[in-house]
Amino acid sequence: QKEVEQNSGPLSVPEGAIASLNCTYSDRGSQSFFWYRQYSGKSPELIMFIYSNGDKEDGRFTAQLNKASQYVSLLIRDSQPSDSATYLCAVNHRGNMLTFGGGTRLMVKP
Amino acid sequence: DTAVSQTPKYLVTQMGNDKSIKCEQNLGHDTMYWYKQDSKKFLKIMFSYNNKELIINETVPNRFSPKSPDKAHLNLHINSLELGDSAVYFCASSPPREPEQFFGPGTRLTVL
Repeated sequence: QKEVEQNSGPLSVPEGAIASLNCTYSDRGSQSFFWYRQYSGKSPELIMFIYSNGDKEDGRFTAQLNKASQYVSLLIRDSQPSDSATYLCAVNHRGNMLTFGGGTRLMVKP
Repeated sequence: DTAVSQTPKYLVTQMGNDKSIKCEQNLGHDTMYWYKQDSKKFLKIMFSYNNKELIINETVPNRFSPKSPDKAHLNLHINSLELGDSAVYFCASSPPREPEQFFGPGTRLTVL
C-alpha cells in the first residue's frame, strides 16, 4: 500500500476556475504536510505547508487538512494557464523524512 | 545566487562506470538530502545528512554513497552503474528544526 496517494490526472480546469487537488496518507502519526509544484523538466518548488487541522490560505492557494480522515487537499482559485504543472503532496512523518505521492498533473485551459 | 546547486546537469555514462554528482547549498541549512525521481515521476528519498552525520538511509544499494565534506555540500557517489540507475537525482536542503525542503535543479543520469 502506497503511503501517500494522489490521483495522477490529468485534472483539466478552465482558466479562472477553482482547481481542487487531493491527497490521502496512511501514517496516522504524520505531523506535517506539504504541497510542491513541479513544472516539466524542473525541480519541485514548495507552495505551502500545513500542520494543523483546518484551512491555511496563501494568496490563491488554500491547503486543507483533515487528520481524522487522513486527507489533505490544495485549492487553487482563479486558475491560470501558468498553474499547469504536476502537484506533489508530501508528508513528513519521521524526523525530516518526506514521503511524496506520485503527483497530480493539472492542466488549466485558456 | 542559486540557493541549491548541482553539477552536472546531465550525465550520460556506460554501465559499470563510477560517477559522482555534486551538490552545494548557500542557505545556511544544516540538513541535506538526495532524492531519486524515476521515469514514472515518483520522488523517493535516498539519503539525509545532518551536520555531517547520516541520519536517514533508505534501502538503497550500497553502490550509492553520500559524502559530505562540510555542512554546505553533499555529494553522491555511485559505483558500478546499472541501467536501472537512470533517473533524475535531486539534492535538497532544509533549515534547522524545520521540515520544509528546498530542491536543487536536478541531475539527469542516463546509463547506457
